[in-house]
Amino acid sequence: AQKVTQAQTEISVVEKEDVTLDCVYETRDTTYYLFWYKQPPSGELVFLIRRNSFDEQNEISGRYSWNFQKSTSSFNFTITASQVVDSAVYFCALSNTNAGKSTFGDGTTLTVKP
Amino acid sequence: GAVVSQHPSRVICKSGTSVKIECRSLDFQATTMFWYRQFPKQSLMLMATSNEGSKATYEQGVEKDKFLINHASLTLSTLTVTSAHPEDSSFYICSATDKGVRSPLHFGNGTRLTVT
Repeated sequence: AQKVTQAQTEISVVEKEDVTLDCVYETRDTTYYLFWYKQPPSGELVFLIRRNSFDEQNEISGRYSWNFQKSTSSFNFTITASQVVDSAVYFCALSNTNAGKSTFGDGTTLTVKP
Repeated sequence: GAVVSQHPSRVICKSGTSVKIECRSLDFQATTMFWYRQFPKQSLMLMATSNEGSKATYEQGVEKDKFLINHASLTLSTLTVTSAHPEDSSFYICSATDKGVRSPLHFGNGTRLTVT
């Protein structure tokens, strides 16, 4: 069975602070995909990143960066110089295929205060 | 880019009535669509996998007679909540993928159902 754990239920930071959202996963599959999504108050899911299990390279996209470590089964997400618009619920998800059904973590609610 | 359209975005219905939610892939053919349910302040829980031209596969604990799924074409899947009750009030969101193995999953904007 697959499982995704986002231990941080809520995080509150002040604007311009850096913040890291943790994600730990469990799977018996050797090939799998990890995702991060942003869900603003309006409800839609915004895709942020997909990473397959064979690619452990860290990725940076603007103020966002991701640290994938298979040794610790973690796929952490860091926002640098946070902004108020980053306030949302962030979900980490796991799938055994590129676009198959996903197992979601419980989400981390990030509040960035001005 | 690829877009998944979900309609309606919000619906309020009376207890005992049925509600149909549509999920359309706008610029790609979706061989598979997924339906999720999200209760307030909770995670997304997969309800069922909808494959074009075949019966949906429901997750354990999801009543297939209550949540009817029809994937009649490569661009449309519908979820009908039959005889809705207040406990069915939730956020329903679909996702879809096309045939390409490298294609990502695209999510609709969700439907907020309130049953009074």
